[in-house]
Amino acid sequence: QSALTQPASVSGSPGQSITISCTGTSSDVGGYNYVSWYQQHPGRAPKLIIYDVTHRPSGVSNRFSGSKSGNTASLTISGLQAEDEADYYCDSCTRSSTVVFGGGTKVTVL
Amino acid sequence: QVQLQESGPGLVKPSQTLSLTCTVSGASISDSGYYWTWIRQHPGEGLEWIGYIYYSGSTYYNPSLKSRVIILVDTSKHQFFLRLSSVTAADTANYYCARVVPAPIPYYFDYWGQGILVTVSS
Repeated sequence: QSALTQPASVSGSPGQSITISCTGTSSDVGGYNYVSWYQQHPGRAPKLIIYDVTHRPSGVSNRFSGSKSGNTASLTISGLQAEDEADYYCDSCTRSSTVVFGGGTKVTVL
Repeated sequence: QVQLQESGPGLVKPSQTLSLTCTVSGASISDSGYYWTWIRQHPGEGLEWIGYIYYSGSTYYNPSLKSRVIILVDTSKHQFFLRLSSVTAADTANYYCARVVPAPIPYYFDYWGQGILVTVSS
């Protein structure tokens, strides 16, 4: 199984909105509404921020939102804040009941 | 609050078997529907799913690692385990255990351990 494709880096100024894409195939992202997103700060474990494409776990800021179109899922961070500077990963289930991650995107707040 | 804690040797020699334990507290490994997983992250790189296990013992593995991986569970000890055989330097990574939310397809992870760095070197 091939990793999902994410841009290596995305940047934005405080207050702006940024979007991170996660592209797969019809066998994973495009085949199911089962995409999740994780935020990882340096030296820390990843934290779940979006699941089932659009759902936020309790306690996660509503500045994080998810969407999907075809084989590409997206994470949007609105009202960018300094604390949002981190690595972000998407994942999806696959047709063979396995899990595949994206390569990760480094978000920089300018 | 669900907590997971990885433990095991931080240094493994090439060709040997990497063995890690994940101890779960605040929840039962037998909780209906939840799977339990291992994920690794090579230094400075992205996340790689290794595999997951259900309390009954059913397992699913990453095809790229399947020939070398075994994941086991001991519900009485609230623990699950990773065994990765014939390791090389390419298996040097931070290894995480996590809980997998089940419904309707297990694919996302709501609680994570802090991770344990395992270095493969002679």
